[in-house]
Amino acid sequence: QQPVQSPQAVILREGEDAVINCSSSKALYSVHWYRQKHGEAPVFLMILLKGGEQKGHEKISASFNEKKQQSSLYLTASQLSYSGTYFCGTENSGGSNYKLTFGKGTLLTVNP
Amino acid sequence: ETGVTQTPRHLVMGMTNKKSLKCEQHLGHNAMYWYKQSAKKPLELMFVYNFKEQTENNSVPSRFSPECPNSSHLFLHLHTLQPEDSALYLCASRNQVGGSYGYTFGSGTRLTVV
Repeated sequence: QQPVQSPQAVILREGEDAVINCSSSKALYSVHWYRQKHGEAPVFLMILLKGGEQKGHEKISASFNEKKQQSSLYLTASQLSYSGTYFCGTENSGGSNYKLTFGKGTLLTVNP
Repeated sequence: ETGVTQTPRHLVMGMTNKKSLKCEQHLGHNAMYWYKQSAKKPLELMFVYNFKEQTENNSVPSRFSPECPNSSHLFLHLHTLQPEDSALYLCASRNQVGGSYGYTFGSGTRLTVV
């Protein structure tokens, strides 16, 4: 089951904050976040495992609400380099056959 | 360079051709994946290999045939494709142990079927 991301697109000025949401209709084992710049490979940002933890990566952090089957990615004090498409990927199984199902992505544009 | 190398980067093929996409990783990962990325669509999982064994075929048409000869190499053999198969094909690998690692993607092969 494909997770649902929102918003589909967001435009920021450098220094502004943004939140990207990812929700699933099925119980989640983990949530991944990736960023893809045009013409490049998706790059892994972070993984959140069930347990409600929050992680941080420089000025980018994420939370995972297991009960609500939701995750949010927080970008603070955005930089031009943050521009790209952000994907969440969800895993529903904790077994050995891990596989990610991705959302449609959120296009983030940071302008000077 | 991400550590996952895909060749070729671009491929144009006719509907009657046979071609192969190659993916190589020397990261010591034990799982490898093929994903299809089309315009305005999410990344679609095609195949999963764990320790060289295929563990997932996501209802992919038989004109796509994967091969994983060892844990470092993954191929996608293509034959009699359709124009709607034109897309970016991404290979990814992962250390599957423990389930707490992210995927490393290659830069992809941009396939155009004419």
